[in-house]
Order: sequence, then C-alpha cells, then structure tokens
Amino acid sequence: ELKVEQNPLFLSMQEGKNYTIYCNYSTTSDRLYWYRQDPGKSLESLFVLLSNGAVKQEGRLMASLDTKARLSTLHITAAVHDLSATYFCAVGGGSQGNLIFGKGTKLSVKP
Amino acid sequence: NAGVTQTPKFQVLKTGQSMTLQCAQDMNHNSMYWYRQDPGMGLRLIYYSASEGTTDKGEVPNGYNVSRLNKREFSLRLESAAPSQTSVYFCASRPKSDRRQETQYFGPGTRLLVL
Repeated sequence: ELKVEQNPLFLSMQEGKNYTIYCNYSTTSDRLYWYRQDPGKSLESLFVLLSNGAVKQEGRLMASLDTKARLSTLHITAAVHDLSATYFCAVGGGSQGNLIFGKGTKLSVKP
Repeated sequence: NAGVTQTPKFQVLKTGQSMTLQCAQDMNHNSMYWYRQDPGMGLRLIYYSASEGTTDKGEVPNGYNVSRLNKREFSLRLESAAPSQTSVYFCASRPKSDRRQETQYFGPGTRLLVL
C-alpha cells in the first residue's frame, strides 16, 4: 500500500529565510506532484516531477525528486509572506491517474 | 472556460438526509475524481472515473455513490448522511488517466456539515 509522509506538518518561518519541506513515499512510483492550497481555497498545481533527478523551479520554490530514495523536496528560498499556504505532495498510485496525498505542510511566513 | 465547477458551495444536512454534490468540467477531460479533505488528513480519494462510462472506488468509498452522467459531469451522492461525512469535498479532473505528465485540476470545493 502506497503511503506518503510529509514533514514538517507545520512550519513557521521568518521572511528572508530558507527552508525545505520533505515528502517521503513508501513504494515505487513514476510521478510526483506538488500543490499549493490557500486557506479556504482549492488546490493549485505547482510542479510535476516524473524522473529521478528531476528539478523544477518557479520563483522562490524549487522541487526535486530522488526516486531511489523515494523522496521529494520542496525548497523555499528567501521566504516572503505571500508564500504562506499549505503545501501538499501527491504520488501517483496506479494506472488510472489516482493520487495519494500527504497530509500537507502548513507554512506561515512572518515578517 | 470555467474549469472545474462544483455546486453547492456550502450545505448543512441533518443526519439521515440525502444529497447530491454536482461537479462539471469544460476542459474535455476524460478522468474525474472526488476527494474529501479533513483537517490533518490531506485529501483522500472517494471515487474516480477514468473515462466516461466507468467508475471505481477509491480509498474511502463507504457511504457514497457516484454517477458519471456524461463526459462533463460527475456527481457524488450521499444516501443517508452521517456526521462523519462532515468534510470539504473536492472534485478534480485530468485530461487522460495514462499520461503521467498531466496534473489534476481541482474545483473550488463543497463544504458539507452534517448535524
């Protein structure tokens, strides 16, 4: 059974600092996704990672995938308040495009 | 192009009542999904439809039924609501189930409170 674990679940950061969110998964998968959710809102796709060593960057966020370690990271560089949200990783769990989600990391960036 | 739409946005039910959550997408996607989101639990898949005419159970299907009415619409029905079904329900769609590079697109959610 595929399980996805994120840590930390809560993260309070100061503006300008760097930090990393970790996403571990339990069985082999060929795709990993990162989503962002603002309070009371829907989920917005951030990154799709499909191969070992894949790295994608958008603004202050950079995601990477190590399929051998079954680990993805979401690195935040020089955090700003606008990045405050909950971040979910999700791993492909079958041939039907189904996703297994982590519990999410609630990020709060304070001045 | 509205993307994925859901109705209603918010609903209060009494235990034992029934209701149908509606979802529609205008992106000509083949695959559609229903999730529930509970505090501290992430999103859990209830049912999915890989293509028009097919539906399958996800991780937490008990107490729910679905209908893939046509390519655009995928509804979720609660036959006899229970307080444990209090949650936020998200519908999502995806172009095709077998293309790894394609992400899922989510609707705005339906907040359901069962008293």
